[in-house]
Amino acid sequence: DVKVTQSSRYLVKRTGEKVFLECVQDMDHENMFWYRQDPGLGLRLIYFSYDVKMKEKGDIPEGYSVSREKKERFSLILESASTNQTSMYLCASSETWRQFFGPGTRLTVL
Amino acid sequence: TQLLEQSPQFLSIQEGENLTVYCNSSSVFSSLQWYRQEPGEGPVLLVTVVTGGEVKKLKRLTFQFGDARKDSSLHITAAQPGDTGLYLCAGFNSGGSNYKLTFGKGTLLTVNP
Repeated sequence: DVKVTQSSRYLVKRTGEKVFLECVQDMDHENMFWYRQDPGLGLRLIYFSYDVKMKEKGDIPEGYSVSREKKERFSLILESASTNQTSMYLCASSETWRQFFGPGTRLTVL
Repeated sequence: TQLLEQSPQFLSIQEGENLTVYCNSSSVFSSLQWYRQEPGEGPVLLVTVVTGGEVKKLKRLTFQFGDARKDSSLHITAAQPGDTGLYLCAGFNSGGSNYKLTFGKGTLLTVNP
């Protein structure tokens, strides 16, 4: 089975801190995605990557950046965390239309 | 921009009842997927429907893709507490880029014992 792991299940940070969320997949998938999930708003795509060092903005990229130096790892970076970035962050990987999700990181920014 | 509207947003029923949730769009999709997300976990794929009018069954769950490939429904027969979770539909358009999906906002189902 495909396994997608995320570095933390829960994270608490302070406003202004730089935050790194890590995602690793073990199936050699080309595509990786970062979403945030908020009540009433569903899953919103932040960024995705279709190859090493390749990335595209999703629907809500403001305040975020990403890094993909190796095929299996896709990092989401909050340059200066703000309280409105408190959310559940989900990483996914895919080779085709089927996406495999990690367990999520619940980030709280105080 | 393609949108998927799911209804109802919330559903609370008793064990043994039947239910249907809907996923509607004004856009045509190449395929439509249904995911279930349990509390504290990421979404897990249940089924993909590809052909207009297609019906797929997964034990007590029946999934249908509309003839025009713009909508889908999920019917659960004799719901059980283990069916509790967030049900998400997601549309894929082969004309789009890099296997991006369009997600609905989900239906939160609670099945009470």
